[in-house]
Amino acid sequence: SQQGEEDPQALSIQEGENATMNCSYKTSINNLQWYRQNSGRGLVHLILIRSNEREKHSGRLRVTLDTSKKSSSLLITASRAADTASYFCATGPWGFQKLVFGTGTRLLVSP
Amino acid sequence: EPEVTQTPSHQVTQMGQEVILRCVPISNHLYFYWYRQILGQKVEFLVSFYNNEISEKSEIFDDQFSVERPDGSNFTLKIRSTKLEDSAMYFCASSGDLREASEQFFGPGTRLTVL
Repeated sequence: SQQGEEDPQALSIQEGENATMNCSYKTSINNLQWYRQNSGRGLVHLILIRSNEREKHSGRLRVTLDTSKKSSSLLITASRAADTASYFCATGPWGFQKLVFGTGTRLLVSP
Repeated sequence: EPEVTQTPSHQVTQMGQEVILRCVPISNHLYFYWYRQILGQKVEFLVSFYNNEISEKSEIFDDQFSVERPDGSNFTLKIRSTKLEDSAMYFCASSGDLREASEQFFGPGTRLTVL
């Protein structure tokens, strides 16, 4: 089964608009982490939310977690061209240290 | 700010050759990981390492793969006899503490091309 499916697969917006990306997963998790990846580059850690948390903020980022629906969302407010990247959710299953990555959302922010 | 570093950034090798990918995790971190990302696909977990031994590994991590922490700073991934399908970006990551839910910080990756 697929763990960590993001939608949309691709999102194109204008600078200043908000971008919302969603992630669904199938198994019970201990935590969920969001990462950004610029084309062909490394993974930059954005935020971690634990299974007993419902919402978390970091700067222009807002992450929510609904464990009953096995879903999470990442909201980037007041987007900038520099936010253009792929965004991945990664789930941490209970009892494991590994992360299971989703398929990613490609975000394009146009000036 | 501390960061994970990896060398080389790009490695080209012939099929059947051995390669060693190197990583320097963040200095006070305790858990170390290797992941890979085949072009256009998901990032996949390979192995985690704690207290000088493998703590978890995936089905991908077969006998052709091994990991080692040869000294207090380096963490290496060895592929004994590379195959064409080993071509991918390999990421090293580290995390800091013993809680299960701790942030994993990734290096910039090594792009491995097997010809």
